[in-house]
Amino acid sequence: GQSLEQPSEVTAVEGAIVQINCTYQTSGFYGLSWYQQHDGGAPTFLSYNALDGLEETGRFSSFLSRSDSYGYLLLQELQMKDSASYFCAVRVLNYGQNFVFGPGTRLSVLP
Amino acid sequence: DVKVTQSSRYLVKRTGEKVFLECVQDMDHENMFWYRQDPGLGLRLIYFSYDVKMKEKGDIPEGYSVSREKKERFSLILESASTNQTSMYLCASSFRSHHGQGFGSGTRLTVV
Repeated sequence: GQSLEQPSEVTAVEGAIVQINCTYQTSGFYGLSWYQQHDGGAPTFLSYNALDGLEETGRFSSFLSRSDSYGYLLLQELQMKDSASYFCAVRVLNYGQNFVFGPGTRLSVLP
Repeated sequence: DVKVTQSSRYLVKRTGEKVFLECVQDMDHENMFWYRQDPGLGLRLIYFSYDVKMKEKGDIPEGYSVSREKKERFSLILESASTNQTSMYLCASSFRSHHGQGFGSGTRLTVV
């Protein structure tokens, strides 16, 4: 079977740093993606990690440890507009870009 | 930017009706996907396609079918709609994993 676990909710204040964790147990693993979704909006792609380590893109960074079946999304210098749901997703097949999504983490950024 | 267009934003159908949800992408992507999204469950893959006329079952294909006759268009069909198919349906397309999937705005389907 496939299972991904994320915290259901995280709250932080503007300017802070927050880390959203994702642990997975899947039948295959070819990479970990992160998506952001604002209320009423479509998910938007943030990052993809195929190899262990940290990838940085502006205020957002994503980390992967394949040996621990674990990854995280790090958001720095939080802004109000970062309030959204964040989903991790594991690529489970080596063709067709088939991903299994986690249940999502709702991030609330307070002033 | 990837543009993925879903034909309807809101849809209300009766139990037992055959329902068609249409999705079109403009980026010449090989891969297209249909998900449903329910609170607390994230996005669950219904079907995906990695080429014209090719389709693969996702995690929850029961009660659904798909059609991909042209590269840019991927249709989801509910053969006989039921109330437990009330959900948000999201279409996506992608070229490669590191580019991510581009999503449409979604269709909120209510079956009464």
